[in-house]
This record gives sequence, structure tokens and C-alpha cells, in this order.
Amino acid sequence: NAGVTQTPKFQVLKTGQSMTLQCAQDMNHEYMSWYRQDPGMGLRLIHYSVGAGITDQGEVPNGYNVSRSTTEDFPLRLLSAAPSQTSVYFCASGHRGLTEAFFGQGTRLTVV
Amino acid sequence: GESVGLHLPTLSVQEGDNSIINCAYSNSASDYFIWYKQESGKGPQFIIDIRSNMDKRQGQRVTVLLNKTVKHLSLQIAATQPGDSAVYFCAENNNDMRFGAGTRLTVKP
Repeated sequence: NAGVTQTPKFQVLKTGQSMTLQCAQDMNHEYMSWYRQDPGMGLRLIHYSVGAGITDQGEVPNGYNVSRSTTEDFPLRLLSAAPSQTSVYFCASGHRGLTEAFFGQGTRLTVV
Repeated sequence: GESVGLHLPTLSVQEGDNSIINCAYSNSASDYFIWYKQESGKGPQFIIDIRSNMDKRQGQRVTVLLNKTVKHLSLQIAATQPGDSAVYFCAENNNDMRFGAGTRLTVKP
């Protein structure tokens, strides 16, 4: 099993550009989520999904869109990148209910 | 709003000593708590979890204590080793998972 795979690992965008951060898991997990991690801060929840076709907003959803068309994939879209979105992004997955989440290795995004 | 937070941002201990990392939470309805370890340049990794119907759970060299009366969670690491140096996060899982700011543990040789 590959676990949770995020691509790309690094990305530089210009302000106003759009891009999609990819996240895939091969553990048949119902729950998937996206976090951002800024220096000196913890992980803040952007969006999450408890199953295919279902998404919900987290703590900091503005500027980001998600969709969950399959169990395996949960892409995060930035429609118009802003410097404030410079961060490290982590995708996580897990089974529904009171269980742990498994994290990908992160995508370091810089918006200039 | 409800949040998960940590008491101390940094902790420095001598190799071989025990470490205690604390966490306060504010959602009294939370049922499940997790401790994660994050090494530099990596994603968080699961260490240990505890459900709200327990007050203590032990793993290999780690123990989590839950005090629901004061909404406090702690992670104890026995005989701390250099490989334990990392940032530690507590998280509460209520349909979604929310994290605290983290504590950076440094182990001095």
C-alpha cells in the first residue's frame, strides 16, 4: 500500500494563478481532509469529506474548493492564488468514526 | 468557538528523562483524542489515542492521560531519546479533526 500520496511536493505560483493539489489514498478510507500548516502554528482544517459525494468546510475554507467524486481521490483547488495561501498543505485520510488519520508527506506551496 | 490548544510551545529535556506534554481542549462533548508526532519535513504520525470513557492509556514508552473534569490531556514519554525530538500535536476528533498549535520537544544529549 502506498498510503496517502500527495502531488506535487513543491509548487511556486504567481498571484492569481490557479492550481490543483492532488491527494490519493489506497486504504479505502471514507474520511479525507485537507490542512494547511503555517510556521509556528498547528494544522488548520480547510475542507473535509466523510465519503464520496460529500464535502464540508473546516476552519479556513475561503479561497479553496474541493470535490470527492471517488473514494480514493480528494483534490484541493486554488482558483486564484494569493500570497496568504503560501503554506504547507497536508492531506489526511481515515475510517469514519473514532479513529486516527493517516497523513501524506505534504505539499509546500509558495505564492509570489 | 471550540478549540484545542497547548500550554507550552517548547520543551527541552535531557536524554533519559521523562517528558510531559500538555494539551487543553474546550469542547466538553469530544469523544476521542489523538497525539501525533511530526518530524521536520514530514507529515504527522500517530502516536497514541484515547477515548473519552478512559482516563489513561499506555503504549510503548508513551502514556496518555485524560482529565475530563478540567478538559486536559497529557502525553508522557518515558526515557526520552534523541529520536523523540519533534513537534507534538494533540487533536480531537468529532466527525472532523482539529489540532492544537503543537509543542516542540528537544532532547539534549
